[in-house]
Amino acid sequence: DGGITQSPKYLFRKEGQNVTLSCEQNLNHDAMYWYRQDPGQGLRLIYYSQIVNDFQKGDIAEGYSVSREKKESFPLTVTSAQKNPTAFYLCASSIWVNTEAFFGQGTRLTVV
Amino acid sequence: SQQGEEDPQALSIQEGENATMNCSYKTSINNLQWYRQNSGRGLVHLILIRSNEREKHSGRLRVTLDTSKKSSSLLITASRAADTASYFCATDADNQGGKLIFGQGTELSVKP
Repeated sequence: DGGITQSPKYLFRKEGQNVTLSCEQNLNHDAMYWYRQDPGQGLRLIYYSQIVNDFQKGDIAEGYSVSREKKESFPLTVTSAQKNPTAFYLCASSIWVNTEAFFGQGTRLTVV
Repeated sequence: SQQGEEDPQALSIQEGENATMNCSYKTSINNLQWYRQNSGRGLVHLILIRSNEREKHSGRLRVTLDTSKKSSSLLITASRAADTASYFCATDADNQGGKLIFGQGTELSVKP
């Protein structure tokens, strides 16, 4: 059935390593988003994409990179430049901007 | 930058009581959305209210929007223990090019 899938659910990274979080949707949505959530906090926007081959920085893009080569996929790379990457990462998609967003179940990243 | 700010940060009520959460935002918007998040999970969309609407209902949920005060409220009537979750408002400012920005959330606890 249709939905948005994030993988892995849990991810451990050593300091200095890059890691890539996967986000796939089969909802035929044009817009996709990546958010970071710290304990007890709201969601902060990292990157978003309104259409294939295009994406824009959100409020906390430093230390992160994305690509949007396919409509279905919007992977997020957490680079070694991100000084405090331990957090819960949420991916979302929507038919277009200004519409209801559907969320994945999140990836919890821990730096060890 | 956080567009929406929820109030209160935490709310504890008894089953059967009504729960009211408020959201304030800073700039003009196209629409405002409310989402629910169970602990450690993704967000689930509850309701979307457009900038030209003043009130909207969905089951036990009632949302109001006052664009002159840049504020919205979410009322959950006859609350149940299963309503225990965090609730977030999200806005897409009409000068933000498609960004969906979330507030800090209200943590609701409904005691049986």
